[in-house]
Amino acid sequence: SQKIEQNSEALNIQEGKTATLTCNYTNYSPAYLQWYRQDPGRGPVFLLLIRENEKEKRKERLKVTFDTTLKQSLFHITASQPADSATYLCAYRDDKIIFGKGTRLHILP
Amino acid sequence: KAGVTQTPRYLIKTRGQQVTLSCSPISGHRSVSWYQQTPGQGLQFLFEYFSETQRNKGNFPGRFSGRQFSNSRSEMNVSTLELGDSALYLCASSFLAGDNNEQFFGPGTRLTVL
Repeated sequence: SQKIEQNSEALNIQEGKTATLTCNYTNYSPAYLQWYRQDPGRGPVFLLLIRENEKEKRKERLKVTFDTTLKQSLFHITASQPADSATYLCAYRDDKIIFGKGTRLHILP
Repeated sequence: KAGVTQTPRYLIKTRGQQVTLSCSPISGHRSVSWYQQTPGQGLQFLFEYFSETQRNKGNFPGRFSGRQFSNSRSEMNVSTLELGDSALYLCASSFLAGDNNEQFFGPGTRLTVL
C-alpha cells in the first residue's frame, strides 16, 4: 500500500536558522505533493504544491523540492521565526488524499 | 469570503450512540472531504463528495457514512460509537474535486466518546 513518511515527530531549530523537513513516499509515484501547516486546535492550512516536473518551488521564506528519484520532498523555512512553530504535513493524492503524520517544528528564540 | 465552518465544535457522546457532524464549505466550492485525525494515526481520509455524489471512500467501517446536499453542505454520521472513534473530525472544501486542488480546512469537530 502507499505510504508517506515524515522525518521525525519533533524538530527543534534555533531562531534565524533554516528548518528542513523531510517527506518520503513509497509504492507510488505521485504527480504532485502538497505541504500544509497545522496549529494546535485548528485545521491544516495549505502552503505549497509542487508537481513532479518541478524541481523546486518557492513562496516567501518557504522552499519545497521534489526528487522523484529519491522519492522525497524537502520543505525549507529560511530565517525561521518562533511564529513558524507548528506541525507541518505533506500529502499526495492517488484516488484519495494521503497525509503524512506530520513533523512538529519548534523554533527556539 | 467566509471559511469552512463545522458544527458543533465539541461533542461528548457515550458508546453505542450515534452522532451527526455538519460542514458548510466555502461559497462556490462543490467538493467536500472528511478526515479523522488522531495522535496515533494522523489525518486519515474518510470520504469525498462532489455535486452530491460520493467520489471516494477511505478504509473505514460502514458505521461511518456521509452525504452532500444540493447547496454543497455536507454531513457525516457515525453510528454505534466506539471509544476509538474519539478524534478530531475535519472537513475540507475545494472548488473542484480531484487532482491538485487546494483544500481549505475547517476548524474541526472534537468528538469524545465515553
